[in-house]
Amino acid sequence: QLQLQESGPGLVKPSETLSLTCTVSGGSISSTSYYWGWIRQSPGKGLEWIGHIYYSGSTYYNPSLKSRVTISIDTSKNQFSLKLTSVSAADTAVYYCAREWDQRAFDIWGQGTMVTVSS
Amino acid sequence: DIQVTQSPSSLSASVGDRVTITCRTSQNIGRYLNWYQQKPGKAPKLLIYAASSFQTGVPSRFSAAESGTNFTLTISSLQPEDFATYYCQPSYSTPYTFGQGTKLEIK
Repeated sequence: QLQLQESGPGLVKPSETLSLTCTVSGGSISSTSYYWGWIRQSPGKGLEWIGHIYYSGSTYYNPSLKSRVTISIDTSKNQFSLKLTSVSAADTAVYYCAREWDQRAFDIWGQGTMVTVSS
Repeated sequence: DIQVTQSPSSLSASVGDRVTITCRTSQNIGRYLNWYQQKPGKAPKLLIYAASSFQTGVPSRFSAAESGTNFTLTISSLQPEDFATYYCQPSYSTPYTFGQGTKLEIK
């Protein structure tokens, strides 16, 4: 059974870079059928799609974050990663990684990791 | 970008009630809309994809429909485990957006 697990610091200082990794287990990240994405949810708020990556490295980012976001993939480690630069308190959120299948739906999610931006 | 308006934002209902949640999109997106259920402290769970196709294991009391730019999720007879927040997600094109959410609470 495929599982996703986010990892990374839970506390990031303002203006620094948020870095998270999603480890995929129970299946290959190199499948041609899926994209791998990041979604966040601010406390008490709704869901915001950050972007996604294909196994080939092709990416698409939400234009609202595009200038600060990089998503990368390491097929040898079955992992993909998120970097968000110049963070502020507005970036405090639970960050989820998720599998996006060909119906453009997120069918498998990680448990989420809370990231707080604070000095 | 495709905008979506989800209503109501909250809903109070009793076990056994029938409830309907609606999402309206800013343009015609065909059947490219998904529904998720989220319980406190948990990741969202995909319930329905492509407007009315069920993910494995979703109870039959859930149903979904599409008519133009209007999409509905109906729960025919609420069960205690259905009290959660529900989100729609238009998936016609990136950047993906999500509805604002409907918090379904026990009356």
